[in-house]
Amino acid sequence: GESVGLHLPTLSVQEGDNSIINCAYSNSASDYFIWYKQESGKGPQFIIDIRSNMDKRQGQRVTVLLNKTVKHLSLQIAATQPGDSAVYFCAENINYGQNFVFGPGTRLSVLP
Amino acid sequence: EADIYQTPRYLVIGTGKKITLECSQTMGHDKMYWYQQDPGMELHLIHYSYGVNSTEKGDLSSESTVSRIRTEHFPLTLESARPSHTSQYLCASTTGWTYNEQFFGPGTRLTVL
Repeated sequence: GESVGLHLPTLSVQEGDNSIINCAYSNSASDYFIWYKQESGKGPQFIIDIRSNMDKRQGQRVTVLLNKTVKHLSLQIAATQPGDSAVYFCAENINYGQNFVFGPGTRLSVLP
Repeated sequence: EADIYQTPRYLVIGTGKKITLECSQTMGHDKMYWYQQDPGMELHLIHYSYGVNSTEKGDLSSESTVSRIRTEHFPLTLESARPSHTSQYLCASTTGWTYNEQFFGPGTRLTVL
């Protein structure tokens, strides 16, 4: 069946560097994607979303890139801070009214 | 911060006990979800609801049951807890319309001894 997966289970970056977290999805019909951040002991928190009619969307220090040709999604975090340490999930929504499919998550560790 | 609440936050119980995990949202969302998540792992959908009196099973088989008598309330019940039920349970809600995020509660971490 359809799946959403992440290339790297863990990522360590130096404070101040940029982080890139990747996600692959298999269903070309997916039309809406969300990145969530989950800190220890908390529920996932919305970071940024993107629709399939867009290639790029920017937020505060975060950018999501969507490459529909290779079914790839990435989250870029600029000037990574200690508070960015968390597990990051991508989620895809397949058509109106369907449920989200979540990837396995990438743990981001920010080194001092 | 999302107006979705879960109680209890932590629960340690013995095998065979009946438990109910509470989830409430004050956003008037129609669609609500329950996910099961092991630490650092992906979320598995176990139940969802389109609205009052609607309940559906998710992708992951679960021995739990849910009910949706009121829009704002979506409790999950385990009739007889087992150690294999030890996990984190996350509740979420959304308006149900497309291109809308899910709002998550803080989760209930359940340990069955």
